Amino acid sequence: QVQLQESGPGLVKPSQTLSLTCTVSGGSINSGNYYWSWIRQPAGKGLEWIGRMYTSGYTNYNPSLKSRVTISLDTSKNQFSLKLSSVTAADTAVYYCARDLGGFGAYYFDFWGQGTLVTVSS
Amino acid sequence: QTVVTQEPSFSVSPGGTVTLTCGLSSGSVSTSYYPSWYQQTPGQAPRTLMYNTNTRSSGVPDRFSGSILGNKAALTITGAQADDESDYYCVLYMGSGISVFGGGTKVTVL
Repeated sequence: QVQLQESGPGLVKPSQTLSLTCTVSGGSINSGNYYWSWIRQPAGKGLEWIGRMYTSGYTNYNPSLKSRVTISLDTSKNQFSLKLSSVTAADTAVYYCARDLGGFGAYYFDFWGQGTLVTVSS
Repeated sequence: QTVVTQEPSFSVSPGGTVTLTCGLSSGSVSTSYYPSWYQQTPGQAPRTLMYNTNTRSSGVPDRFSGSILGNKAALTITGAQADDESDYYCVLYMGSGISVFGGGTKVTVL
């Protein structure tokens, strides 16, 4: 059973860069036809897809966030990461990582991390 | 930019049936949008219910079913139970590697 766990600072100052890591266990991040995605949810609001990355390095990003987002993989550590630059209070949210079947006959998220709250505040 | 639409809320009686829909602000949803559905209770991560329109994820009871109804994707709960009270989100694939969540539907069972 694949498990995902987010980690990173819970507090980020405005204008700085938010950095989170998702550690994957129970399977190699390099095996199978999977993408790896980040999704967020502000308190009391809906879910928002941020972006996905394939092990080849191919990425797709939400157009509304594309200028500020970078997703990367570290296959040696079985991890993938999110960087969101120039954050504001509007980026305060629970951030989820998920395994993503995008691009291989299906487009959905089958395994999710438990989520981590990131607050943007000075 | 195209918006994915969902009803804000629904109420259903225990044992009753409710159909949630997932549409587009412009255009019709088809299987080519690979509709998927997720259930979320407060404080928890989403749980995958349905993908590729009508394929139930592992362990999902068969009282949940997916379909295309008219110009929208649909999730039907037949024989609603108390623990079905949750928020439900759909996701549509828009092409060019872009996925979009709907705004979510809050389902109350009472």
